[in-house]
Formats: sequence, C-alpha cells, structure tokens
Amino acid sequence: GQNIDQPTEMTATEGAIVQINCTYQTSGFNGLFWYQQHAGEAPTFLSYNVLDGLEEKGRFSSFLSRSKGYSYLLLKELQMKDSASYLCAVRDRDYQLIWGAGTKLIIKP
Amino acid sequence: IAGITQAPTSQILAAGRRMTLRCTQDMRHNAMYWYRQDLGLGLRLIHYSNTAGTTGKGEVPDGYSVSRANTDDFPLTLASAVPSQTSVYFCASSLTSESSYNEQFFGPGTRLTVL
Repeated sequence: GQNIDQPTEMTATEGAIVQINCTYQTSGFNGLFWYQQHAGEAPTFLSYNVLDGLEEKGRFSSFLSRSKGYSYLLLKELQMKDSASYLCAVRDRDYQLIWGAGTKLIIKP
Repeated sequence: IAGITQAPTSQILAAGRRMTLRCTQDMRHNAMYWYRQDLGLGLRLIHYSNTAGTTGKGEVPDGYSVSRANTDDFPLTLASAVPSQTSVYFCASSLTSESSYNEQFFGPGTRLTVL
C-alpha cells in the first residue's frame, strides 16, 4: 500500500529553527509537495521537490532524498504566524497526490 | 470570483437526505478534485476530473457522485447521507493532471455534519 508518515505534533520557540520530517512509500514518484494549513482554513502550497537536494524559498526550505523515501521541511526564524499544520504529499505514478496526516506545529513565545 | 469557491460553508444534514456540495473555479484549470479531511487522517481523494466531461474515482468514492459538465463547475453529491460522511470537504483544482510540477489550489472547504 501507499503510506506517508509525519510526526503528529511538534513544538518550537519563536525565532528558532524547526525541521519537519516526512517519509513515504508510494507506487511510483512524480514529485513531493509541502502545504501549510492554518486551523479552519484550506491548505496552501509551500514547496515542491522532484530531484534530490534542497530547495530554498525565503525562510522555508525543503529537502528530498528519493533513494531514502525521505523529505523534510525546514522553517527558520520562526514566527507566531507559522503555527499551523504542515502537510506532506507525494504524487504517485498515476499523478494522484497521496497525503500525510499532517504535522501540527505549535510556536511558543 | 477569484480562485475556487465552495458552497455551502457549513451544513447540518439529517441522515438519508440528499446533498450537493458546489465547487466553482475561474482559473480555467482542467483538473478538479474532491477531498475529505478527517481528524488524524490525511486528505483523501473522493473523485477527480482530469478535464470537462470526464470523471474518475479516488480512494474513497462510495456514497458520492460527481459530474463535470463544464470547465468551471464540479459538484459533489451525496445521494443518501450517512453519519460517517461527517467531514470537511475540500474542492481543489490544478492546471493539468498529468504534469509532475502542478500544484493544487484549494477552496475554503465545506464543513458537513450528518446526524
């Protein structure tokens, strides 16, 4: 079967750095996405990786290792507004997105 | 309209009733999707449409039906609602369905409670 694993919840301090991990086992691989979802709102796109390595976009970076079935989202200089759930999703061989359950990130002052 | 809209925002429904959730996008995206999101579970695909006139079944299609008469609209119908269909429903769209880099844009969601 297909499976995406992420930690359920993480806590970090304002101004710090946090890394959210995602491991996957899917039928085929056509890219990995990270989305942010604030409570009661829709998911919004953060990043996309299809090749191994690090993609940087401002305070957010995303890393992919296809051989290990592993990705992480790195958030720097954490702000209170970064409190949200972070969803990892993999596009499989049929180009459908398989979603993890999400990681709830709690930022403390 | 800018992006994707969904209606209603929320609904309480008696079991056995028929309900249609509406979804409209104005981005001229070819592909559209319906997901449900339940606590502790990832988004699960109910049905999808790669282009107007075609639809396909996702991971959890039972009890739901869709139609895609035109590019903009993608309604989801629950023929006879059951309590297990209590969930938050998200409609999404993407420019195409067959490209690796192809982010999905989400509507604001419909919170449905079936009693």
